[in-house]
Amino acid sequence: DTAVSQTPKYLVTQMGNDKSIKCEQNLGHDTMYWYKQDSKKFLKIMFSYNNKELIINETVPNRFSPKSPDKAHLNLHINSLELGDSAVYFCASSQAGTATNEKLFFGSGTQLSVL
Amino acid sequence: RKEVEQDPGPFNVPEGATVAFNCTYSNSASQSFFWYRQDCRKEPKLLMSVYSSGNEDGRFTAQLNRASQYISLLIRDSKLSDSATYLCVVPGSSNTGKLIFGQGTTLQVK
Repeated sequence: DTAVSQTPKYLVTQMGNDKSIKCEQNLGHDTMYWYKQDSKKFLKIMFSYNNKELIINETVPNRFSPKSPDKAHLNLHINSLELGDSAVYFCASSQAGTATNEKLFFGSGTQLSVL
Repeated sequence: RKEVEQDPGPFNVPEGATVAFNCTYSNSASQSFFWYRQDCRKEPKLLMSVYSSGNEDGRFTAQLNRASQYISLLIRDSKLSDSATYLCVVPGSSNTGKLIFGQGTTLQVK
């Protein structure tokens, strides 16, 4: 009974392709996030949504487009994939609208490899 | 100073040892801090929160030094299962609700 689930777990694709990663949480949380963890293990926030509204939008190429159809789902679509997009992408959720004092619950991650 | 900085290690210690990690931060206004644990190829999971001077949970103690702007994590009586990467997490400098993750400190207990 996974709290934050994301699919797929592994994604191998060619440069220039378009791909999506899906995320769902069954915790009833209001806020969801996408994080990117690069090869040096730094975990950086990309986006956050609170109840379907975009709250945080870091300096991310506009090839990355998050979509939140409802507060339990936050999907990430990536257009024209580049080699530098290879990383592990984590979805996360937290109960309230700000995460500075909230526990984050992470999904198991999506390993994206762009060839 | 970087927003958050950790010694990446690795720290190699024998079972039963006591080990401590430090993490420095730049935002003097930060009120809450966290240590997350990340196992190899797994997602980060919250280990401890630190809101005032410190927090203790079994073999784990987290301490906050506001004057010097660092937090520490002390692990006593290390177990093999403690082997992981420990991520220091602090609020971002702007009031955006953003958390900044450190690079992590890798612990290997043998």
